[in-house]
Amino acid sequence: GAGVSQSPSNKVTEKGKDVELRCDPISGHTALYWYRQSLGQGLEFLIYFQGNSAPDKSGLPSDRFSAERTGGSVSTLTIQRTQQEDSAVYLCASRQFTDTQYFGPGTRLTVL
Amino acid sequence: RKEVEQDPGPFNVPEGATVAFNCTYSNSASQSFFWYRQDCRKEPKLLMSVYSSGNEDGRFTAQLNRASQYISLLIRDSKLSDSATYLCVVTPGYGQNFVFGPGTRLSVLP
Repeated sequence: GAGVSQSPSNKVTEKGKDVELRCDPISGHTALYWYRQSLGQGLEFLIYFQGNSAPDKSGLPSDRFSAERTGGSVSTLTIQRTQQEDSAVYLCASRQFTDTQYFGPGTRLTVL
Repeated sequence: RKEVEQDPGPFNVPEGATVAFNCTYSNSASQSFFWYRQDCRKEPKLLMSVYSSGNEDGRFTAQLNRASQYISLLIRDSKLSDSATYLCVVTPGYGQNFVFGPGTRLSVLP
């Protein structure tokens, strides 16, 4: 079956612009996670959605970052007024009843 | 102190060698433990879960020591294809956030 998909695969933007990153989880997966990974670094947790519960936003680095998950499926991560330090690979993962997370291929964001 | 710490690496080993990675975690309430593998410029993929009794999957053996808050991964008879970054992952339990370690990079040399 289809895995987690993310779009776009690459995004180049100018400092100060807003960007939207999309994640399509595996159908039926109730849990969805956003992480970011800077070059040569580990994964940094951003936000976590579980069913209809309030999302865990504890990892969002600033109020320029927000995410929503519509209809319990697709999620959009929005970064407003992008800064150069936002450049990273943004990874989405989904999970169902087991503890296994399935990752998408990521979106590589470059802020010039 | 970081929640999950790993051997800094990189580990450069010849084919056929045995290599062990260590991971420590700070949250004593942690319930579930995993090793993920991440190839260069790819997404992480689950390698194996880590159970209290220890578990083995072919050439890979994972161990958990709850008292010491320590996890290990042993790779025997390493192959060139084992070259990757190995991520230690810890979660307080079902429905909780996953905390990733910084990873240990392994290069298996011919």
